[in-house]
Amino acid sequence: GQQLNQSPQSMFIQEGEDVSMNCTSSSIFNTWLWYKQDPGEGPVLLIALYKAGELTSNGRLTAQFGITRKDSFLNISASIPSDVGIYFCAGPTSGTYKYIFGTGTRLKVLA
Amino acid sequence: DTGVSQNPRHKITKRGQNVTFRCDPISEHNRLYWYRQTLGQGPEFLTYFQNEAQLEKSRLLSDRFSAERPKGSFSTLEIQRTEQGDSAMYLCASSLMGQINEKLFFGSGTQLSVL
Repeated sequence: GQQLNQSPQSMFIQEGEDVSMNCTSSSIFNTWLWYKQDPGEGPVLLIALYKAGELTSNGRLTAQFGITRKDSFLNISASIPSDVGIYFCAGPTSGTYKYIFGTGTRLKVLA
Repeated sequence: DTGVSQNPRHKITKRGQNVTFRCDPISEHNRLYWYRQTLGQGPEFLTYFQNEAQLEKSRLLSDRFSAERPKGSFSTLEIQRTEQGDSAMYLCASSLMGQINEKLFFGSGTQLSVL
């Protein structure tokens, strides 16, 4: 079945650094959703992408819909301690409204 | 707009007992999703409703699991004869059907612990 792989699996960064992570699929997606999840809470939607090549920002976050439609990227600029958490990508499997999630990128920020 | 609401937030039960969780979606949202998440993993799709119709179910949803959305508003997820392997966070999400740019919004989840 379709799978979403996220890279890196986890990362430690210094406060103030920029962060990049990606999400890749074995098949084409028409929508990419990026979420952040804190421990014991549900995922919170950060950015939604709907078109190949689309670049969308939300504050210090910027996400891009890959032109092959098999990948997406999330960048966080000037990281701060509250950026700590797990970041997930998600998208609907082809021909359905069943959204699957990636494996997650765990971000830890060193103050 | 109060967001997606899930109750209870936490549930501890003994193996073999039945449990029921409730999800209240965002008021105008007509699609409702259930996911299960275990520690260190991403959410796994269980099922989704479009209005009151349950349109897709995952193989993860064994015969002991049943979900309903009787009037197309709130939904319940029941687990019968719970097993320790059912321990997980159960997440509910909702979206607005018909929007070209669909977005899923999640509740805070129900954390189930089966002893």
